[in-house]
Amino acid sequence: SQQGEEDPQALSIQEGENATMNCSYKTSINNLQWYRQNSGRGLVHLILIRSNEREKHSGRLRVTLDTSKKSSSLLITASRAADTASYFCATDPPSSGSARQLTFGSGTQLTVLP
Amino acid sequence: DAGVIQSPRHEVTEMGQEVTLRCKPISGHNSLFWYRQTMMRGLELLIYFNNNVPIDDSGMPEDRFSAKMPNASFSTLKIQPSEPRDSAVYFCASSLAQGWEQPQHFGDGTRLSIL
Repeated sequence: SQQGEEDPQALSIQEGENATMNCSYKTSINNLQWYRQNSGRGLVHLILIRSNEREKHSGRLRVTLDTSKKSSSLLITASRAADTASYFCATDPPSSGSARQLTFGSGTQLTVLP
Repeated sequence: DAGVIQSPRHEVTEMGQEVTLRCKPISGHNSLFWYRQTMMRGLELLIYFNNNVPIDDSGMPEDRFSAKMPNASFSTLKIQPSEPRDSAVYFCASSLAQGWEQPQHFGDGTRLSIL
């Protein structure tokens, strides 16, 4: 079963605008990760935020985490056409064991129009 | 650096045939994961290995599915006999098992169509 649910399912914006995607999850976590998937390709890791962190930045990416609400958001600033992809959150629950098993959400399809 | 390599990239076959998907993880990674992605069910974990040993195969849908990892550099996912509902994109991913913050590295998948 899917732990995370992204919102919205699809988002279309103009180049240069900011894009915000949200993720909600159900159980406690060790960390939460965001991945990107371009059409026809595998998932690529973007950023990880630990359960004791509230905000993290990486280039044009900003991730927030609210463990009390079991939610996270991914902000992409100054979007580019190349940012067009599906974005997934993935949670690493404490029960995942030593192999770092992740549970992925359903994804947000982002389209950045030139 | 070479990433996770999957073969074939595309496979079209008739129902009832045996299908074998292959994966070469990143050298040095000791965890390997097989996922299936469909529009209806999203990304589902089928099975994962740690140091070549299957740890959890609870995601394998039926006995028709089997996976092996004979050594640290190779894994297979086999479907026998295949059915149309097995059509999906199958991904292999690898990571380092140590620590709590290791990302998973995905191959580009095998798009499987069962006619």
